[in-house]
Amino acid sequence: DAGVIQSPRHEVTEMGQEVTLRCKPISGHDYLFWYRQTMMRGLELLIYFNNNVPIDDSGMPEDRFSAKMPNASFSTLKIQPSEPRDSAVYFCASSLAQGARVYGYTFGSGTRLTVV
Amino acid sequence: AQSVTQPDIHITVSEGASLELRCNYSYGATPYLFWYVQSPGQGLQLLLKYFSGDTLVQGIKGFEAEFKRSQSSFNLRKPSVHWSDAAEYFCAVGADGTSYGKLTFGQGTILTVHP
Repeated sequence: DAGVIQSPRHEVTEMGQEVTLRCKPISGHDYLFWYRQTMMRGLELLIYFNNNVPIDDSGMPEDRFSAKMPNASFSTLKIQPSEPRDSAVYFCASSLAQGARVYGYTFGSGTRLTVV
Repeated sequence: AQSVTQPDIHITVSEGASLELRCNYSYGATPYLFWYVQSPGQGLQLLLKYFSGDTLVQGIKGFEAEFKRSQSSFNLRKPSVHWSDAAEYFCAVGADGTSYGKLTFGQGTILTVHP
């Protein structure tokens, strides 16, 4: 398996523009997570899905952020309009849960977003 | 709700020295515990995990961790550190019930290795 695949690896955009980050989870994993990492705030969970359904989006900072998972093999995180304070590394992770056990997350390599 | 505390923000050790990174968790039942490592510019990689059974778990890259219920701890250890171990380390806890499927991460500990 190729692991969790995120694209693009780097994104530089101007303030006010729409940004779309993409994630392909590991085949067969039933959970997908979007995290944001900054020096100031560390790793923040933005939203997570179970079987393509959003379970908890309480970490999404504002209405400018939205996430979708139209099928089991694809998810997007969209920021519209983008602002400089959105600059961060955004990680996608997927996991498999059986019974009550979560077998750890597999993280993608992240998308480094810079909003100028 | 579960929580994780990594008391040390930054640790410096000499190459060849032993290492212990601390992790304390807060959770009422038996937690599922994980350690991840993040090298600069990379994603997080799973080092090891604990679900039940033997409280000393072995992981990749020569790391091990010990679950101590009485101390609510899950400290990561390595007997001899290599320069390539310099990275940031994250402890995480998973839970059942309403948080099913979700891991809570600590703030991370940055490890610097001196030659």
